[in-house]
Amino acid sequence: GAVVSQHPSRVICKSGTSVKIECRSLDFQATTMFWYRQFPKQSLMLMATSNEGSKATYEQGVEKDKFLINHASLTLSTLTVTSAHPEDSSFYICSARGRGYTFGSGTRLTVV
Amino acid sequence: QKEVEQNSGPLSVPEGAIASLNCTYSDRGSQSFFWYRQYSGKSPELIMSIYSNGDKEDGRFTAQLNKASQYVSLLIRDSQPSDSATYLCAVKRQGGSEKLVFGKGMKLTVNP
Repeated sequence: GAVVSQHPSRVICKSGTSVKIECRSLDFQATTMFWYRQFPKQSLMLMATSNEGSKATYEQGVEKDKFLINHASLTLSTLTVTSAHPEDSSFYICSARGRGYTFGSGTRLTVV
Repeated sequence: QKEVEQNSGPLSVPEGAIASLNCTYSDRGSQSFFWYRQYSGKSPELIMSIYSNGDKEDGRFTAQLNKASQYVSLLIRDSQPSDSATYLCAVKRQGGSEKLVFGKGMKLTVNP
């Protein structure tokens, strides 16, 4: 079946630093990948849609200069949280569009 | 009206009972419908997808779609404590966008 690998699973970083999260589709090509953020006891919030080889489409209210998304190949998308602050602490999840929609295992980001 | 609405719950059922989860959507032209299960601290995993009116069964799970009434439901028969999770309804709208719109989720607890 379709597998999406997301790394790291957990990361703690200092305020002001940047963190990169990788999302790979292991056994299929994903022309479209999605990045979500989820706060405790809340539903998924779509941050952006990324298409291979083109600029990501960000949802309203999401700062594109803070959340940099790169989709350089059909199997890899990255999300970089730049100049992270404690309020960026959240659970970040990617999803890849193949035959269906497959989610990565998520990244728990804690900014201290 | 929200695009995808689920009763926020929580829903509690005894072991062995049928759990019924409901979802309504506003875009009449929506084509694809999904139910995801999310355990606490984990990413969503696909339970069922349904695309045409009627019932679709997979083991203890049955998805029901009624496009005229714009609702989709998930029935879980013989509920088990391991079914305790948050269930997310997701809809792909008509048009070119591949993104899914999620409901807020319904927390289900199955009591032994």
